Amino acid sequence: GDSVTQMEGPVTLSEEAFLTINCTYTATGYPSLFWYVQYPGEGLQLLLKATKADDKGSNKGFEATYRKETTSFHLEKGSVQVSDSAVYFCALGIGYQKVTFGTGTKLQVIP
Amino acid sequence: KAGVTQTPRYLIKTRGQQVTLSCSPISGHRSVSWYQQTPGQGLQFLFEYFSETQRNKGNFPGRFSGRQFSNSRSEMNVSTLELGDSALYLCASSAGLAETYEQYFGPGTRLTVT
Repeated sequence: GDSVTQMEGPVTLSEEAFLTINCTYTATGYPSLFWYVQYPGEGLQLLLKATKADDKGSNKGFEATYRKETTSFHLEKGSVQVSDSAVYFCALGIGYQKVTFGTGTKLQVIP
Repeated sequence: KAGVTQTPRYLIKTRGQQVTLSCSPISGHRSVSWYQQTPGQGLQFLFEYFSETQRNKGNFPGRFSGRQFSNSRSEMNVSTLELGDSALYLCASSAGLAETYEQYFGPGTRLTVT
């Protein structure tokens, strides 16, 4: 079945460090790919998305490129801030509104 | 535009009881999906409703059921609660179009089963 694998956390970085959170997927067909973010005590928010191979999604300084050849969708940010501390979920969507999520990666940014 | 609302936000129930959770989607959205979030299993898809019809279902036992009303509001019911049902239940709404997966999540209902 469809699945998403993302790197284990927690990830601890100093402010202004470079962030990479790895995500790979397995899917039959051609999924759309997403990154969601969950701040403490809140629901998930869509961070960015890509709907086809080589698409790059970007938002709030975060970027991810849909790599069909490596079945990956790694999240990157050039300079993290304390306010980026949250749990990040990689997800794929295929079929009507059926979204499969990864297990989440907790990011902690220290001043 | 008001966001997705879920009620109640917190709930404590006893094993064997049943519970009903409610979700009101964003105005104009016709699709509502439900997820269970636990520390051990992460986010797991329960089911999705579109225009009062269940379109997708995850791998949960029949104790978990749902429905959607004509105004797109949705309810989820869990019967004969077990300790393992303790979780954050998230609802997400979207326009429900075939190629549109942008889901907007509510804050969740935290269910504790004792």
